Amino acid sequence: GAVVSQHPSRVICKSGTSVKIECRSLDFQATTMFWYRQFPKQSLMLMATSNEGSKATYEQGVEKDKFLINHASLTLSTLTVTSAHPEDSSFYICSATRIAETSDDEQFFGPGTRLTVL
Amino acid sequence: LAKTTQPISMDSYEGQEVNITCSHNNIATNDYITWYQQFPSQGPRFIIQGYKTKVTNEVASLFIPADRKSSTLSLPRVSLSDTAVYYCLVGAYSGGYQKVTFGIGTKLQVIP
Repeated sequence: GAVVSQHPSRVICKSGTSVKIECRSLDFQATTMFWYRQFPKQSLMLMATSNEGSKATYEQGVEKDKFLINHASLTLSTLTVTSAHPEDSSFYICSATRIAETSDDEQFFGPGTRLTVL
Repeated sequence: LAKTTQPISMDSYEGQEVNITCSHNNIATNDYITWYQQFPSQGPRFIIQGYKTKVTNEVASLFIPADRKSSTLSLPRVSLSDTAVYYCLVGAYSGGYQKVTFGIGTKLQVIP
């Protein structure tokens, strides 16, 4: 159990276009979803935290108007990269936490989405 | 959020036990220690989580000393498929979720 999916797995777009990435928790309800970005040979960098029905909390240095996050339900969060540019090319990974009964809950990660902006 | 320090890389031969140590000197009382494995172009995969002493599951053991300022992930008898980046994370349950910070990770290379 506890599977997180992402769609699409890979996307190539032209500079200036917007790209939407979906993150779904397939067999559990997620209280919180996280969005990370990972550049080649680097670690995951947390971009934002989203809770269902409320505005996302962005990390310092992440433009909220460029990376739009919508967490419409307990199983779906979307990240939209608006007016994408080549420097936005990266590996985007989401994760989700279950509605926790104890304080040691883990994050379940999606498989990632490779975005390439030409 | 507590910062973690791990070796950047390690090499090991197949069949050997591998121990990766992570330092987290400013770990907070309510922080848990979690280890993840990541293969190239994939999302991280949960390995093990603990709070104190020793935790063991079907793939690894986690040793945490009494002061909790470090932890050691132990992988018994590694195989080539264990070649990956291993991340040590420290984070707390806070308002319904566990916010964590990824360090640089340890790149483990298993040699035939």
